[in-house]
Amino acid sequence: DAEITQSPRHKITETGRQVTLACHQTWNHNNMFWYRQDLGHGLRLIHYSYGVQDTNKGEVSDGYSVSRSNTEDLPLTLESAASSQTSVYFCASSDPKMADTQYFGPGTRLTVL
Amino acid sequence: RKEVEQDPGPFNVPEGATVAFNCTYSNSASQSFFWYRQDCRKEPKLLMSVYSSGNEDGRFTAQLNRASQYISLLIRDSKLSDSATYLCVVNGGSARQLTFGSGTQLTVLP
Repeated sequence: DAEITQSPRHKITETGRQVTLACHQTWNHNNMFWYRQDLGHGLRLIHYSYGVQDTNKGEVSDGYSVSRSNTEDLPLTLESAASSQTSVYFCASSDPKMADTQYFGPGTRLTVL
Repeated sequence: RKEVEQDPGPFNVPEGATVAFNCTYSNSASQSFFWYRQDCRKEPKLLMSVYSSGNEDGRFTAQLNRASQYISLLIRDSKLSDSATYLCVVNGGSARQLTFGSGTQLTVLP
């Protein structure tokens, strides 16, 4: 069965370190998204991609970057982790033909100390 | 003003009760509307799309009022397994992005 996976599921890191969160989908979807979820804010879009080599900034992109070298993967990098980036991160993907239905990965819980 | 606003709850209802959630959105160009369900510490999952004519899926009924920019979700005969956070979701007009409300927490009590 097609799926979307994230790794690691839990991560503790220190302020200033670079961290990369992986997202891999086997749906063959062109559209991929990264969100963070914090209490009181709901899901907020960090970055998104509509295909290989395409990346775009979302609502809360400062301090984050993504790259899209193939259809299956959209890794999210925190260049220099800050305590304000402690959050739960969700990756999602969607089929351009059904662009509004997004399928989410299980999430990564990141703690920055 | 948030683009998508929901009453955060929590709503605590007994089994078998009928409960309704409301949501308002600010972008009048929005074209697609959804309810997603999120269980504690899990990923959001699509519950149902919302159409102008209203739509029903078993015990769940969703309605859209474009003039008032208002979306609702009605759950009849609540089950313990309905306990979750319900997210109101709207697309941004021509954009392929979704905007999520903060969610309404529902607990169904035995």
